[in-house]
Amino acid sequence: DVQMTQSPPSLSASLGDRVTITCRASQTISNYLNWYQQKPGKAPKLLIYAASSLQGGVPSRFSGTGSGTEFTLTISSLQPEDFATYYCQHSKWEFGQGTKVEIK
Amino acid sequence: QVQLQESGPGLVKPSGTLSLTCAVSGGSISSGKWWTWVRQPPGKGLERIGEISYSGYSNYKPSLKSRITISLDKSRNQLSLKLSSVTAADTAVYYCARVLDYYGSESFGYYLDTWGQGTLVTVSS
Repeated sequence: DVQMTQSPPSLSASLGDRVTITCRASQTISNYLNWYQQKPGKAPKLLIYAASSLQGGVPSRFSGTGSGTEFTLTISSLQPEDFATYYCQHSKWEFGQGTKVEIK
Repeated sequence: QVQLQESGPGLVKPSGTLSLTCAVSGGSISSGKWWTWVRQPPGKGLERIGEISYSGYSNYKPSLKSRITISLDKSRNQLSLKLSSVTAADTAVYYCARVLDYYGSESFGYYLDTWGQGTLVTVSS
């Protein structure tokens, strides 16, 4: 199985900050990478699929880049509703360990 | 708009079998290329445990392969999960999700676009 490693495990940021989360794959996976947002007590929500395609209804401040083994999720200007845990996933298979975005 | 709802016992005894159902409403189970189960132990991350295609082909997480069965009931528009010989390590919130596909640069890619709300299953005597 391809292993997915996210960094950092957690971060503290302020409203309006630009936030970047990294996901690395243990072998090349082309652009088969998805990003999800999960808030406490809720199911995960799809943000981005195919590394950079924004899911319908997701604000444009979220963006994804990368190919091969290294991928990033960027939130251009952090909003109150963005404080959550973010997960990457290789296609329909393994998830990263998650990155918790907290209020600074 | 497709909605998913997991159901099943919230408490299972050690060595017993965990059985969950995921009801698909607002659309057909044929809307998904694949259907998957994901679990999340309390305070931990997401773990993919297995998936089944609409045509009935299944894949399971290798460490669970000997204990897990995922099935589709097209007539009832639902999917099911059975996990046998459970231990406390199987205590988790269990989610079902729909898997859609796209054609990438080399082959099909997949993503989980619709999730159920999740159901907590506790393994305890």
